[in-house]
Amino acid sequence: DQQVKQNSPSLSVQEGRISILNCDYTNSMFDYFLWYKKYPAEGPTFLISISSIKDKNEDGRFTVFLNKSAKHLSLHIVPSQPGDSAVYFCAADNQGGKLIFGQGTELSVKP
Amino acid sequence: NAGVTQTPKFRILKIGQSMTLQCAQDMNHNYMYWYRQDPGMGLKLIYYSVGAGITDKGEVPNGYNVSRSTTEDFPLRLELAAPSQTSVYFCASSPDREAYGYTFGSGTRLTVV
Repeated sequence: DQQVKQNSPSLSVQEGRISILNCDYTNSMFDYFLWYKKYPAEGPTFLISISSIKDKNEDGRFTVFLNKSAKHLSLHIVPSQPGDSAVYFCAADNQGGKLIFGQGTELSVKP
Repeated sequence: NAGVTQTPKFRILKIGQSMTLQCAQDMNHNYMYWYRQDPGMGLKLIYYSVGAGITDKGEVPNGYNVSRSTTEDFPLRLELAAPSQTSVYFCASSPDREAYGYTFGSGTRLTVV
């Protein structure tokens, strides 16, 4: 039972263009959503989050959108840079700090 | 400031062997977590702790044990290694229950043969 799903295993975009990473969830009780970025041989690092009471949160080049009726969130990266190439995990906060992760999307930004 | 330190980085175990994955943090965080990541999958919570002396099961605790005798250390014990435990293990810590405060270690890659 996959409560958080990232249906695209990989995404390739040109440098300077927009990257859109998608995530779907099934449990309407999740109260917080987060995106993590992971480079090979490193642990995930926190990127951006959004509370379930909001529909948008922006931090520099990164914006997360939340559509609660569709149980869908997305991460937009504008403009994309080669250093953004990594695996991106969507996660939902389930009861106070315990995270449920999606499978990850590998983003490749080509120069 | 080391953050979260995991040792070893790599390990190969034979079926039935046991080992302890070490995790230490120097940020005085109360909350600590162990996750595992299987190929093509997201991270899954094994065990967590909200403070010294307090531990609880996560989503996939079977085959593992933990202890939390100090704030700094949160070791994960595998008693009878099985091929299904081949995975990358991540330890994380957080100052409070808010998940955006997580700091992850760099992981331990374990192979059981």
